[in-house]
Amino acid sequence: GAVVSQHPSRVICKSGTSVKIECRSLDFQATTMFWYRQFPKQSLMLMATSNEGSKATYEQGVEKDKFLINHASLTLSTLTVTSAHPEDSSFYICSARDAGAGANVLTFGAGSRLTVL
Amino acid sequence: DQQVKQNSPSLSVQEGRISILNCDYTNSMFDYFLWYKKYPAEGPTFLISISSIKDKNEDGRFTVFLNKSAKHLSLHIVPSQPGDSAVYFCAANTQGGSEKLVFGKGTKLTVNP
Repeated sequence: GAVVSQHPSRVICKSGTSVKIECRSLDFQATTMFWYRQFPKQSLMLMATSNEGSKATYEQGVEKDKFLINHASLTLSTLTVTSAHPEDSSFYICSARDAGAGANVLTFGAGSRLTVL
Repeated sequence: DQQVKQNSPSLSVQEGRISILNCDYTNSMFDYFLWYKKYPAEGPTFLISISSIKDKNEDGRFTVFLNKSAKHLSLHIVPSQPGDSAVYFCAANTQGGSEKLVFGKGTKLTVNP
């Protein structure tokens, strides 16, 4: 089945630094990928929709200059948390849709736990 | 404003019995509903879905029921197995597809041997 690989699974960084998280579709091409964030005991919240070859679409309240998304190829999307602060500590998870698996099914990566000190 | 609500953070059942996970939604524009299962340190995996034109969808031990008038759906697992122990997320969207899914907070199911 469709597999989405996300890296790193855990990252700890100092406040003010930038962190890049990669999301790869391993055996299918994804023109669209989605980035979610989950705080403890909260829902998965959609942050942005990553579109291959064009700008990402951000949800209301998500700072596009802080959360940079690049979708340079059909198998890779990256999320960069710029100038990270402790309040950015969260679980970030990406997903992609494999058209071959059915139009309504998203495949998720395993997530990346970001801790900002 | 929580558009998809899973009011039970946890549920514990005995192996072989039925597990019923509930989900309520407030947005009447939602027309597609999905359940995802998540094990620790893994991403959510798709379990079963239902379109608003149906009131029931069954796949093996898993059945999802949709009550549009009550804006309520439920996932039934029968018989429950210890391997079903996971966090179950209810999700919904308005486009008939999986884009812009709105998730509930999840219910942690524990199936005891």
